[in-house]
Amino acid sequence: AQSVTQLGSHVSVSEGALVLLRCNYSSSVPPYLFWYVQYPNQGLQLLLKYTTGATLVKGINGFEAEFKKSETSFHLTKPSAHMSDAAEYFCAAQYSGGYQKVTFGTGTKLQVIP
Amino acid sequence: DAGITQSPRHKVTETGTPVTLRCHQTENHRYMYWYRQDPGHGLRLIHYSYGVKDTDKGEVSDGYSVSRSKTEDFLLTLESATSSQTSVYFCAISESIGERDVTEAFFGQGTRLTVV
Repeated sequence: AQSVTQLGSHVSVSEGALVLLRCNYSSSVPPYLFWYVQYPNQGLQLLLKYTTGATLVKGINGFEAEFKKSETSFHLTKPSAHMSDAAEYFCAAQYSGGYQKVTFGTGTKLQVIP
Repeated sequence: DAGITQSPRHKVTETGTPVTLRCHQTENHRYMYWYRQDPGHGLRLIHYSYGVKDTDKGEVSDGYSVSRSKTEDFLLTLESATSSQTSVYFCAISESIGERDVTEAFFGQGTRLTVV
């Protein structure tokens, strides 16, 4: 079965430091890829998505992700963490078909230390 | 924000009782989904709908049923709640675009269900 792997269920960074959240997908055929953010007691909100074309994707709130086919990765980065970035982040992949085929990773909780 | 309302937002129920969760949208989107979120599992699809009266099973459909009699409403029913169904339930909506149905889904705020 196709899968999405997020390395690290918890990540802590200092305010102002680089944020790096890792995501790997399992298929040799590149899927469409998404990053979502979930704030406490909220639903998921789309940060960015990759479909085709440019491999560096820019999203909201200063986040970006780079699609690397050779590494089957889609890591999320932000140059400088803000306290407001503390949330849970989910990587997801759409391997084929409609959105009902989207597979979610298990999530990474980001803690930002003042 | 997409117009998605889940009700109730919180519910505690007893084992063996039926429970219905409601998702209401004002976006007129064709597709609606029910997910459950559990620690260590991310989001898993329970059921989805691709139109009025058109539904299909997802990854974890056992013990759940759904109905969609109107475009705007998608109901999730636990016929006889069990403790393993304690979870946070999310509704999502999307609209298909393009050949490969590349879409963005919009999520509701969730319903926290506790089965005691």
